[in-house]
Formats: sequence, C-alpha cells, structure tokens
Amino acid sequence: GEDVEQSLFLSVREGDSSVINCTYTDSSSTYLYWYKQEPGAGLQLLTYIFSNMDMKQDQRLTVLLNKKDKHLSLRIADTQTGDSAIYFCAEITSGTYKYIFGTGTRLKVLA
Amino acid sequence: EPEVTQTPSHQVTQMGQEVILRCVPISNHLYFYWYRQILGQKVEFLVSFYNNEISEKSEIFDDQFSVERPDGSNFTLKIRSTKLEDSAMYFCASRWDLQETQYFGPGTRLLVL
Repeated sequence: GEDVEQSLFLSVREGDSSVINCTYTDSSSTYLYWYKQEPGAGLQLLTYIFSNMDMKQDQRLTVLLNKKDKHLSLRIADTQTGDSAIYFCAEITSGTYKYIFGTGTRLKVLA
Repeated sequence: EPEVTQTPSHQVTQMGQEVILRCVPISNHLYFYWYRQILGQKVEFLVSFYNNEISEKSEIFDDQFSVERPDGSNFTLKIRSTKLEDSAMYFCASRWDLQETQYFGPGTRLLVL
C-alpha cells in the first residue's frame, strides 16, 4: 500500500527537543520531505533529505534517514511555542513523482 | 521569490453547483498538481498534469473533476457538481523538473453546503 505512517500526537515542553517519526513505503523514493502546517494555513516546506544521505542538519532541524527500515525522523532542537503545528512527512513515488503524505503529527509545545 | 498563487482563498457553494479553483504556478514550471486535504486529515494526491495532459490521477479524481491549463499561466481544477464530501482545502503545486521540489500554493478552502 501507499500509507506513510506517523504518530498522531506529540507534546513537549518549551526548550526541550522534539522528535517526530515517519515510516514510509517506497524504497525507491529519491527525496523525503518535512512540511509544517499551522492551523488553517498552507504547507510550509521545512526541509528535505536526499535518499543517499543519512542525516541532514539545518539550524534547529535535524533529519535522520534509515533506508533499511524506511524510517525518517525530524528532530527540532530547543522547541518553541511557535513550533506548535502539524508536521507531515512526504515521499516521492516513482513514475509521476507525486507526493505521498503521511498522516501528520500534531506537535503541542507547552510553555 | 516566486510562488504559487491560488484564488479564491475561500469558496462557499451549494451542493450540485460547479466550482472552478484557480492556480497560477511558478512561471517556468512544467509539472502541475492538485492535492486536497479534508479537515483534520492528511493531504491526498488528486491529479498530475504535464505537457497539456493528465499524467496520473487518483481514485478520488472521478468524472466530476477536470483540470485545464487554459493559457500559459493558469491551471484550474473544476468540480462539475459538488457534493458535501468535496468540502476540503485544495492545494495546487508545481515543479520545474521531476527531481525538483514541488512548490505548494496557499490553498483554497472549499465549503459545500
């Protein structure tokens, strides 16, 4: 199937690190993405990783990729209240390269 | 920085009416997409479009849906006879090349009453 799975909820305290996990399905995916969606808003591209990389760091964001297990994670360091949102991972499928989005993880940051 | 734009931002319509959602992709992009997100759910692929034809469509994209690129700048999604379950946020996306990132528009929130 084409289900990209994520845990539904994550709650952390301000200043702590958040780790959002994703299990994808297509081992031939070339890129994997993380998007942020605030309430009522559109999709904001946060970061992406190419499939031949294990890790990518971008300021407070760290993406880890385990191709063997088809597991992707997003770590947000020093989480702030403004990070509260829904986070979607997405993979590219072969063929038309459409995105398959995960189920989304709702991150709540407690002050 | 160039961006994908969508109009209207919100649309309310009566069940059975036709709606046209409009998108202006980034100007040099060649691949175009529509996705939808029912409230509280994940983003789902509807259709991809390249070289003036549909390259892939999902099961959701039935005969009530159509897409068109009527000129060099607009990319439209038409729903011929809307149903209550068509209420969702509709996102347009475009990319220059299949290996490049898709750029998403801000979305049109459609409410069918």
